[in-house]
Amino acid sequence: DIQMTQSPSSLSASVGDRVTITCRASQSISSYLNWYQQKPGKAPKLLIYAASSLQSGVPSRFSGSGSGTDFTLTISSLQPEDFATYYCQQSYSVYTFGQGTKLEIK
Amino acid sequence: QVQLVQSGAEVKKPGASVKVSCKASGYTFTSYGISWVRQAPGQGLEWMGWISAYNGNTNYAQKLQGRVTMTTDTSTSTAYMELRSLRSDDTAVYYCARILAGYSSGRFDPWGQGTLVTVSS
Repeated sequence: DIQMTQSPSSLSASVGDRVTITCRASQSISSYLNWYQQKPGKAPKLLIYAASSLQSGVPSRFSGSGSGTDFTLTISSLQPEDFATYYCQQSYSVYTFGQGTKLEIK
Repeated sequence: QVQLVQSGAEVKKPGASVKVSCKASGYTFTSYGISWVRQAPGQGLEWMGWISAYNGNTNYAQKLQGRVTMTTDTSTSTAYMELRSLRSDDTAVYYCARILAGYSSGRFDPWGQGTLVTVSS
């Protein structure tokens, strides 16, 4: 199975900050990488697919990059509604999720 | 709009079975697959498997092979996930999600609202 490792596990930031979350795969997954946002008590929401494609309706402050084994999710200017947990997911060999990154208000 | 609506919370005893439903609306049900994902309390997301709503083909996570069965009813646009021989560590919120762009290589959007399954004696 392909293992996905996110870093950091948690992150404190302020409104307006630029934030980057990293996801590393245990083997090359080309660009088969998706990012989801989950708020407490809610289902996950798709943000980015195929490593860098923005899902329809998602604000442009979210962006993704990377290929192979190393990927990043960047939020260019944090908004109050962005404080949530973020998960990466590989779709190269069935599916595996990272352990999540909890983004908290500083 | 595209929507997945799941059945309500369940409480089961160890060794029992549970069957969760996921009713789709707003799109052609047989044109996409449905995946199931669970989340134990305070934990991350665990992929359980997928089913093609077109032909009923399935692919289950190895960890759950033999205990899980996914089915669909195309007449009602509903997907089902049955988990047997329940244990306490099966306590989780269970989500269904539509798969876009390939059953094993796609992305999940949208998701159902989740169904809490509690396993307790």
